[in-house]
Amino acid sequence: GAVVSQHPSWVICKSGTSVKIECRSLDFQATTMFWYRQFPKQSLMLMATSNEGSKATYEQGVEKDKFLINHASLTLSTLTVTSAHPEDSSFYICSASGSSGIDGELFFGEGSRLTVL
Amino acid sequence: EDKVVQSPLSLVVHEGDTVTLNCSYEVTNFRSLLWYKQEKKAPTFLFMLTSSGIEKKSGRLSSILDKKELFSILNITATQTGDSAIYLCAVYNSGYALNFGKGTSLLVTP
Repeated sequence: GAVVSQHPSWVICKSGTSVKIECRSLDFQATTMFWYRQFPKQSLMLMATSNEGSKATYEQGVEKDKFLINHASLTLSTLTVTSAHPEDSSFYICSASGSSGIDGELFFGEGSRLTVL
Repeated sequence: EDKVVQSPLSLVVHEGDTVTLNCSYEVTNFRSLLWYKQEKKAPTFLFMLTSSGIEKKSGRLSSILDKKELFSILNITATQTGDSAIYLCAVYNSGYALNFGKGTSLLVTP
């Protein structure tokens, strides 16, 4: 099956710094990528949808300036948590859908656990 | 507002038991419903359901969708400890984004 690689798997940073998380589709072109956030013992919450070459669409309540998303190519999307604070600590997961047009063919990255001290 | 509600939130069973997990939804422009299994990291895909009444089966797992009553069930027969995980139900609307339920945490004890 298709592979989506996410990096880093986990990161610890100081409060006030910015952290970039990468999401790559390794063997297919991802026209659309989704970024989710998951708090402990809770479900995945969609943060934003990004389409290659255009601005991301953010879900209500998600700060655009805080969570910068860039989808510069068909194989790479990045999420940058700017000026991170402890409340941003969470598990961030990306997913990608290919251009096959098949519903349900949504492939998840391995997730990135962010801890902000 | 789209809603996906799963029940129960958590469940503890003994090995060999059969479990049924529920997912109800209210989604505009429903396209499909998906089940995922999440262990320690990212969810892994189990089933995608688009049509009512057609059971999908994979080994000891099976799932069915009722588009009239707006729910789906996931059955696991002869449970094993390796089935312990969070099971997530998600629904696609016309916006191509998945809306997830809160999940059912299943613990299978030896």
